[in-house]
Amino acid sequence: DTGVSQDPRHKITKRGQNVTFRCDPISEHNRLYWYRQTLGQGPEFLTYFQNEAQLEKSRLLSDRFSAERPKGSFSTLEIQRTEQGDSAMYLCASSRTGNEETQYFGPGTRLLVL
Amino acid sequence: AQKVTQAQTEISVVEKEDVTLDCVYETRDTTYYLFWYKQPPSGELVFLIRRNSFDEQNEISGRYSWNFQKSTSSFNFTITASQVVDSAVYFCALVYDKLIFGTGTRLQVFP
Repeated sequence: DTGVSQDPRHKITKRGQNVTFRCDPISEHNRLYWYRQTLGQGPEFLTYFQNEAQLEKSRLLSDRFSAERPKGSFSTLEIQRTEQGDSAMYLCASSRTGNEETQYFGPGTRLLVL
Repeated sequence: AQKVTQAQTEISVVEKEDVTLDCVYETRDTTYYLFWYKQPPSGELVFLIRRNSFDEQNEISGRYSWNFQKSTSSFNFTITASQVVDSAVYFCALVYDKLIFGTGTRLQVFP
């Protein structure tokens, strides 16, 4: 059973550039979540998918952020016109459907915006 | 509203000491699920335990134990005979489709 994978693990970009992150969930999991974690804080929810449907988006997800899960497998998170405040760890998790199911996390993508 | 509070920002202990990490939660749901995760310096969140609201039995797994008390809305985590490898940030979380995390407790175990 391979775990959740994320790519890239690290990204340094200049302010104003666009970046895209990828997450591959555990294969039998139909839910996929994106969280953001800044230094000294707990992860904060951004959005989640059940299969290919995006079921919820946080107010944190400004219109510069877009997430997709086109075939219900991997997902991408794109940030357009990056700002220094976007610097954070972006975490992806996956689970089976249901609140009782455990979410398993990937290693994260650490973004630094210069 | 759902909320998780971890009042202890940082705890330092010497190896072999026992340590308890506190977690207090708020929810209006009668059925809910609580989780603990460990985040070592590498950054990946590692699942430790899941507990549902209708099972108040305490749980022990090796040196780890969890005390769930519905009456005080607490779900505390104890590490017995701590080791240096336990050094990490520990998060308590409540699930409401997505996970709602506390701010975490950084545990440093010194040799």
